[in-house]
Amino acid sequence: DAGVTQSPTHLIKTRGQHVTLRCSPISGHKSVSWYQQVLGQGPQFIFQYYEKEERGRGNFPDRFSARQFPNYSSELNVNALLLGDSALYLCASSVGLAESYEQYFGPGTRLTVT
Amino acid sequence: RKEVEQDPGPFNVPEGATVAFNCTYSNSASQSFFWYRQDCRKEPKLLMSVYSSGNEDGRFTAQLNRASQYISLLIRDSKLSDSATYLCVVNGEGGGNKLTFGTGTQLKVEL
Repeated sequence: DAGVTQSPTHLIKTRGQHVTLRCSPISGHKSVSWYQQVLGQGPQFIFQYYEKEERGRGNFPDRFSARQFPNYSSELNVNALLLGDSALYLCASSVGLAESYEQYFGPGTRLTVT
Repeated sequence: RKEVEQDPGPFNVPEGATVAFNCTYSNSASQSFFWYRQDCRKEPKLLMSVYSSGNEDGRFTAQLNRASQYISLLIRDSKLSDSATYLCVVNGEGGGNKLTFGTGTQLKVEL
């Protein structure tokens, strides 16, 4: 079975531009979460979606938004990019919302903002 | 105080050694606990969930002490392939299915 997939794998953008990152969860998983990982740190929670609704939001500015589609895939959008947005963006999927459900990560999108 | 704290290491150990990592968390309401492994420039991979009674998976043993808000991971008979960063992860910080990660502990297993 395919794991979590993300696209693109790498991206280079200029300050002020906009970016869209995509994620497809494991088949049968209905929840998708997004995380940002900067070098030397653990991943930081950005959003969680379940059944197309936002179910959790981390401490990120409004420039960050996301959505989930009927097929459970998801997009993360970042507007007005800053140099500090350079990071590895990880998508994780899980069966549902319960805390005990394990989350599985995709390979990530490495975003560089110049 | 950080929500999840780990010693960043690095821990440099010879092949075959036993190594232990520790982690503390701040929110006593946290419900679920995990260890993830992350190789350089790769995604985190789930190593094991951590249960109150302690659990073992081959050479790996995880322990949870809710009273002390402390989680541990023991690796026996270290292999070169165990070299990675080990992330302590807590779920339920602030409610819901949101993972809170420590900064990770780097392990280097040497010949």
